[in-house]
Amino acid sequence: EIVLTQSPGTLSLSPGERATLSCRASQGVSSSFLAWYQQKPGQAPRLLIYGASTRATGIPDRFSGSGSGTDFTLTISRLEPEDFAVYYCQQYGSSFTFGPGTKVDIK
Amino acid sequence: EVQLVQSGTDVKKPGESLKISCKGSPYSFTNHWIGWVRQMPGKGLEWMGIIYPGDSDTRYSPSFQGQVTISADRSIDTAYLQWTSLKASDSATYYCVRRNSGNFPFDVWGQGTMVTVSS
Repeated sequence: EIVLTQSPGTLSLSPGERATLSCRASQGVSSSFLAWYQQKPGQAPRLLIYGASTRATGIPDRFSGSGSGTDFTLTISRLEPEDFAVYYCQQYGSSFTFGPGTKVDIK
Repeated sequence: EVQLVQSGTDVKKPGESLKISCKGSPYSFTNHWIGWVRQMPGKGLEWMGIIYPGDSDTRYSPSFQGQVTISADRSIDTAYLQWTSLKASDSATYYCVRRNSGNFPFDVWGQGTMVTVSS
């Protein structure tokens, strides 16, 4: 099973700042089958990025994904108030596993 | 708008059985995988299993194999997750999710069903 590790556990930033979230896999993720989800309190998760770097429908371009192999990054270029949430990475190339999440909260 | 609508909150006692549902619309239900994801209170996301309603091909996470049963009734575009004997540790929110055929992630999520198991 591919294990995903996310860092940091919590990221405290101010609106307008840049957020960089990391996701590391225990082994290579085939064909960059890596996704990112956003979850706000009391809501279901929402797909942001798939294929490591493709934005899902309706996702603003301040969200971008990069990486390959075992190291992936989600970047939020300028944090908006609605972006403070928990972010999960997921690999879907070999069954499915989620990372433990990174909470982005207001500094 | 494509959506998955799940059954409502359930409160059960240990040892009881439960079947929760997830209805998809308006898309071709039989041509997309439907999965289930558990989220325990204050915790992260765990994939439980997935079914292809077109042929009932079902796969389970090793962590949930034998603990739950996933099924689907394509005549009413509905998938199910069931337990025969609940435990307190089954208390969680359960999400159904849609996956396109091929290698895609979960693009549509249900609103979640909160299950509480308590004596």
